[in-house]
Amino acid sequence: GQNIDQPTEMTATEGAIVQINCTYQTSGFNGLFWYQQHAGEAPTFLSYNVLDGLEEKGRFSSFLSRSKGYSYLLLKELQMKDSASYLCAVRDHDYKLSFGAGTTVTVRA
Amino acid sequence: KAGVTQTPRYLIKTRGQQVTLSCSPISGHRSVSWYQQTPGQGLQFLFEYFSETQRNKGNFPGRFSGRQFSNSRSEMNVSTLELGDSALYLCASSGTDFYEQYFGPGTRLTVT
Repeated sequence: GQNIDQPTEMTATEGAIVQINCTYQTSGFNGLFWYQQHAGEAPTFLSYNVLDGLEEKGRFSSFLSRSKGYSYLLLKELQMKDSASYLCAVRDHDYKLSFGAGTTVTVRA
Repeated sequence: KAGVTQTPRYLIKTRGQQVTLSCSPISGHRSVSWYQQTPGQGLQFLFEYFSETQRNKGNFPGRFSGRQFSNSRSEMNVSTLELGDSALYLCASSGTDFYEQYFGPGTRLTVT
């Protein structure tokens, strides 16, 4: 099975940078995903890491270290619309996706 | 390309009843996964169907079942509803690379 941990809440100021950490323990690993979910809406895909290193996509970057069972999502130049829940998810060898509880990010003016 | 659609969007049922939810994946996607989302438990995997076969199953009781049709549309059924089944039920579809899951808007089920 999977055990995925991420902080419950984070608050940051508009224009700042926030880093959301995710640690996982897995019986099999086949990729790590980050999703964004606004209140009352469905999750939307942000990033995917299967190899160690940093993946950059505009204002969002995601990092993975498989040996440490660790990932982070970096949100730069925060905007008010970035206020949302951020979900870390790990896929096992059977392509089953397990989600963390999510980190609620609040961006303040 | 149309996104993932789910019907109905909202549903109110009574304890003991059964319910069927429907999901139409993105055209060309053959994998459909179902999730239950509650404030206390977060997003939990129910099952996944690929080419009409259940490929994966989460840790839910047998009251939760599903199926997939030849056009990749999927249904999930919950029998003998309990108050704890009140949740947002999300389905997601994937293409052949299984790289990214696209989620539908969900069905909000309330059991009274």
